[in-house]
Amino acid sequence: NAGVTQTPKFQVLKTGQSMTLQCAQDMNHNSMYWYRQDPGMGLRLIYYSASEGTTDKGEVPNGYNVSRLNKREFSLRLESAAPSQTSVYFCASSAGGKQFFGPGTRLTVL
Amino acid sequence: GESVGLHLPTLSVQEGDNSIINCAYSNSASDYFIWYKQESGKGPQFIIDIRSNMDKRQGQRVTVLLNKTVKHLSLQIAATQPGDSAVYFCAENIILYSGGGADGLTFGKGTHLIIQP
Repeated sequence: NAGVTQTPKFQVLKTGQSMTLQCAQDMNHNSMYWYRQDPGMGLRLIYYSASEGTTDKGEVPNGYNVSRLNKREFSLRLESAAPSQTSVYFCASSAGGKQFFGPGTRLTVL
Repeated sequence: GESVGLHLPTLSVQEGDNSIINCAYSNSASDYFIWYKQESGKGPQFIIDIRSNMDKRQGQRVTVLLNKTVKHLSLQIAATQPGDSAVYFCAENIILYSGGGADGLTFGKGTHLIIQP
């Protein structure tokens, strides 16, 4: 099992550009999550999907959109990137409250 | 403010010694807690969890203690090794309300564990 995979690993954008971060899990989990992690901070929840077909806002959803494409895949989209969105983004999936994380995408917005 | 926090941002220990990392939480209704380890450049990795009906749980070289009276959680690592160098996060379970509901986690800021030779 690969667990949770994320692409790309690194990305540099210019202000105003758009991009989609991809996430997939092979553990047959119902729930999936997107977090951001800023230097010296814990993880903050951006969006989550309790199950296929549903998505909801987390703590810091502004500037992001998500799509739960199917049970395996949950993507995060930045429509118009801003320097404040420079961060490391983690995707996770969960079963029974225990969350499993991907390796992260390091995003820099210039 | 954050409901989950850590007492010290950095903890330095000698290799072979035991480490204790502390965490305070504020929601007395929380019923599930997890400790994660995050190495540089990697995602958080599950270490150990504990439910509120327990006050101690042991894993391989790690022990989590839960004191519900003072809302305190600790992670003990026995015989610390160089590979234990990482940032350790405690996380508190929260219920996210949506059409179907989902479990979420609130994370503390983390403690950086440094192992000295």
